[in-house]
Amino acid sequence: ETGVTQTPRHLVMGMTNKKSLKCEQHLGHNAMYWYKQSAKKPLELMFVYSLEERVENNSVPSRFSPECPNSSHLFLHLHTLQPEDSALYLCASSQDWGTPGSGYTFGSGTRLTVV
Amino acid sequence: AQTVTQSQPEMSVQEAETVTLSCTYDTSESDYYLFWYKQPPSRQMILVIRQEAYKQQNATENRFSVNFQKAAKSFSLKISDSQLGDAAMYFCASGGSQGNLIFGKGTKLSVKP
Repeated sequence: ETGVTQTPRHLVMGMTNKKSLKCEQHLGHNAMYWYKQSAKKPLELMFVYSLEERVENNSVPSRFSPECPNSSHLFLHLHTLQPEDSALYLCASSQDWGTPGSGYTFGSGTRLTVV
Repeated sequence: AQTVTQSQPEMSVQEAETVTLSCTYDTSESDYYLFWYKQPPSRQMILVIRQEAYKQQNATENRFSVNFQKAAKSFSLKISDSQLGDAAMYFCASGGSQGNLIFGKGTKLSVKP
């Protein structure tokens, strides 16, 4: 399998639930990213991992907890979310962090609805 | 800080015609890249075209080309011979040595048959 794969494609969760989003890439990339895409807003960068280490956390609330167990996998653990957290969550990868020339490869996203 | 501005929330084009999507950006970096991404209803962001800021020649990929005006910090996308499959959200993005791509709010392109 090639590219960036995200699961699940859709997720509905209650505010007291705990769930996780999964991202997987088999491109040999060393950097992975979580973005939040809300209607009529620019894509918001949430977290950046480079060589499995978190290098950036853009003031994201602690109810979002990322995990990068290896260079191919990235998770976003969710707990006690709010309705305003409903959005499309996109995962992306790039060859290396700090060398944007090749651009990012994106997954198809997880559409999250918090009820 | 980098910023990317897309001033056209929506655009429409007739099939087979040409359309230009606008993008302006601001960056303090001297070495950076500019991108256009397409996001169809399938939601996956697809790289359409890339421009290296130090190259004066405008990038071209088949029916897609850019007009890169470095002094004006403008990076517009021209789609020639528009096809129904071009209908999507288009995002302009800028990236430098700090590593992260900064995206605009997007332009929704409709293609009329």
